[in-house]
Amino acid sequence: AQKVTQAQTEISVVEKEDVTLDCVYETRDTTYYLFWYKQPPSGELVFLIRRNSFDEQNEISGRYSWNFQKSTSSFNFTITASQVVDSAVYFCALSAASKGGGSNYKLTFGKGTLLTVNP
Amino acid sequence: DVKVTQSSRYLVKRTGEKVFLECVQDMDHENMFWYRQDPGLGLRLIYFSYDVKMKEKGDIPEGYSVSREKKERFSLILESASTNQTSMYLCASSLSVFLGGYGYTFGSGTRLTVV
Repeated sequence: AQKVTQAQTEISVVEKEDVTLDCVYETRDTTYYLFWYKQPPSGELVFLIRRNSFDEQNEISGRYSWNFQKSTSSFNFTITASQVVDSAVYFCALSAASKGGGSNYKLTFGKGTLLTVNP
Repeated sequence: DVKVTQSSRYLVKRTGEKVFLECVQDMDHENMFWYRQDPGLGLRLIYFSYDVKMKEKGDIPEGYSVSREKKERFSLILESASTNQTSMYLCASSLSVFLGGYGYTFGSGTRLTVV
């Protein structure tokens, strides 16, 4: 069974602060993918990043960075110099990449972290 | 860009009504999904479909059914709506063969209130 844990339910920061959103996952599959999605107040989930289990390189995209560590089963997301527009719910998700039937073709989501960036 | 369109943004229905939530995707994706999102519970998978006329139960299928007669359309049906089905419903689609690499594209959601 797959499981994703986002221990932080809500985080509140002041603009320009750095903030890290934690994600811990569980899976028995050796091949899997990890994702982060952003859900702004409008409601639509927006894809941010995908990482496969064989690639532990950290990634940076502008103010966003991701730290993937298989040893601790974590895939944390850091926003540097946060802005008010970063306020949203952020979801971490896990999917096994193996084929073999419909039961593998689904993402398991964490419960999300509500990030509020105050001016 | 792939687009997933949910027919209604807001719906208000009465207890006992049969409710249809419609979802259409325009990029020939094989897989489609229905989730519900509730505060503190995150996204929970109701049903998904990996081909036309194929469907598989997710984690919380009770009280729901689905229909996929055409590849681009996936409908969620509440046979007899109840107040505990008041929620945000999100539809998603994805490519099939390399699912893990592509992730999902989501619609904007339908906020259903059952009174």
